Amino acid sequence: GAGVSQSPSNKVTEKGKDVELRCDPISGHTALYWYRQSLGQGLEFLIYFQGNSAPDKSGLPSDRFSAERTGGSVSTLTIQRTQQEDSAVYLCASQRRWGSPLHFGNGTRLTVT
Amino acid sequence: AQTVTQSQPEMSVQEAETVTLSCTYDTSESDYYLFWYKQPPSRQMILVIRQEAYKQQNATENRFSVNFQKAAKSFSLKISDSQLGDAAMYFCAYRSSTYNQGGKLIFGQGTELSVKP
Repeated sequence: GAGVSQSPSNKVTEKGKDVELRCDPISGHTALYWYRQSLGQGLEFLIYFQGNSAPDKSGLPSDRFSAERTGGSVSTLTIQRTQQEDSAVYLCASQRRWGSPLHFGNGTRLTVT
Repeated sequence: AQTVTQSQPEMSVQEAETVTLSCTYDTSESDYYLFWYKQPPSRQMILVIRQEAYKQQNATENRFSVNFQKAAKSFSLKISDSQLGDAAMYFCAYRSSTYNQGGKLIFGQGTELSVKP
């Protein structure tokens, strides 16, 4: 695959359920970022991975949000006990090395009913 | 903390005309990077143009150019000869040059650009 792949493309879940969002970065990209885009808003930084470690997780809005990255590749963003305010598009981006451009995926649109 | 502000939620331009999108930012750093991203309905963020703060020359990419005013902390995007395919949401973004910040981008709220045929 040539680009960043995110799955699912769309997810509808009931309030209180847990959800997992997946990001497959471009092969060889060492850094990975998660952003959240609420309706009509800009992108809000959530967490950044360098390899498998997360030097900056300052944007995670609450302890219901967590993320991991394994094998320096795939990352999963988990939201526990979802709330309606979690409804948003979650975007992932990867980066080959520090200073190089970020490549974004098409995002996962999460709707909490 | 750095902030990015886009004060124009919506803009409209006639096809083949020129439009300018505004962006201001706030930072205490002297070295940083600024970007304009385009987001079509597909949701994918596409890099339009970037500017290094230490460069005085304004960046250009074909029909896209910026007016970078470092002292005023202003970074506007000019689109010349607008095309229907330019219609999208445009985001201004800031990135620190500090290594421990990683490549984290700070985004403005976006400007929705429509192009009239």
